[in-house]
Amino acid sequence: AQSVSQHNHHVILSEAASLELGCNYSYGGTVNLFWYVQYPGQHLQLLLKYFSGDPLVKGIKGFEAEFIKSKFSFNLRKPSVQWSDTAEYFCAFNTNAGKSTFGDGTTLTVKP
Amino acid sequence: EAGVAQSPRYKIIEKRQSVAFWCNPISGHATLYWYQQILGQGPKLLIQFQNNGVVDDSQLPKDRFSAERLKGVDSTLKIQPAKLEDSAVYLCASSLGSGVVTYEQYFGPGTRLTVT
Repeated sequence: AQSVSQHNHHVILSEAASLELGCNYSYGGTVNLFWYVQYPGQHLQLLLKYFSGDPLVKGIKGFEAEFIKSKFSFNLRKPSVQWSDTAEYFCAFNTNAGKSTFGDGTTLTVKP
Repeated sequence: EAGVAQSPRYKIIEKRQSVAFWCNPISGHATLYWYQQILGQGPKLLIQFQNNGVVDDSQLPKDRFSAERLKGVDSTLKIQPAKLEDSAVYLCASSLGSGVVTYEQYFGPGTRLTVT
């Protein structure tokens, strides 16, 4: 069965700290990987995506993620977080059949 | 461009009642998704349409949930009869397409359903 595991349910950081959110997926075939973000009071929106090519992808607001195929991982990173990064972050993947699977999310709180 | 529209935004019903949610995707988006998001969990795909055909409905509780996208544009999700465990946010999303060529999904604001 397809699944996504996000290791941290809630992360609390101070401004300027570095961030790494873990994501592992379970699927035997080719996947397309995504990180979505939901800021307080807003819709889910795309942060970044990986389809093929360079496994290090860059998204909006200074976020990046690295796809490590051998580890089935797609961890999200940001070198220096800001208070405005406070949000819920979801890792997800699509198969080539188009089916989407989301993780349960990580709530990030950044203290000013 | 206009985003994904959903209505109503909030709904409170008693168990065993029926409820319907409406979604209008972004113009030109062929793929439409309905998700259920229970508090503390990620979105769970209920049904996925490509134009007006169903691509995946493997996680849709078909004894009580139904969905349609008759003209390949807007869509309705219905629950009849509702149970307490159906309390959740119902999200609609759309994308240009799906499958071998994958596009990002654009989400609507969701409908928060409370079943009492």
